[in-house]
Amino acid sequence: NAGVTQTPKFQVLKTGQSMTLQCAQDMNHNSMYWYRQDPGMGLRLIYYSASEGTTDKGEVPNGYNVSRLNKREFSLRLESAAPSQTSVYFCASRLTGEYGYTFGSGTRLTVV
Amino acid sequence: AQRVTQPEKLLSVFKGAPVELKCNYSYSGSPELFWYVQYSRQRLQLLLRHISRESIKGFTADLNKGETSFHLKKPFAQEEDSAMYYCALIAAGNKLTFGGGTRVLVKP
Repeated sequence: NAGVTQTPKFQVLKTGQSMTLQCAQDMNHNSMYWYRQDPGMGLRLIYYSASEGTTDKGEVPNGYNVSRLNKREFSLRLESAAPSQTSVYFCASRLTGEYGYTFGSGTRLTVV
Repeated sequence: AQRVTQPEKLLSVFKGAPVELKCNYSYSGSPELFWYVQYSRQRLQLLLRHISRESIKGFTADLNKGETSFHLKKPFAQEEDSAMYYCALIAAGNKLTFGGGTRVLVKP
């Protein structure tokens, strides 16, 4: 049981490049989330997906897009990376009716 | 809108000393409150949730609705408690909102 798996673990991008962060969970959870973690600001919600086929904006969605490919996978895309998107990105999932979130190990992204 | 505030960015204590991490929240309804911990370079883990009123790794937290606070306490800090701690709440829509985090450094 791997839980929540994120790939890649590290990435360096040049300004303007695009990339997709992958997230997969094997716990049959309904809801999935993408957060970014920045010093002093905690974790801020970028996008979430309450169930397969639905996605909604969180607190800081600008510059990002998401795809809930199926129940297991929820990807985050940066179409044109900016230095302000340098951060650690965490994916999380949750079973409907439960309060506990399970987090992935994070992707450390640097945009130069 | 809900908001979580952790006023201390860094707490430095000696091993064996008490430690208290402050957390205040704003939400018009009745939120569910949590403490998450992140050890160096690891993923976030749930430490406590107020509804269960349990003690994990010697930590306790009491919800004070009058003061809208959910402070985390441990009477005797250990070096392995050095980590980043986040207070969080779930309100409408079941989205987790985090505070800014408090880094705890326990010195030998």
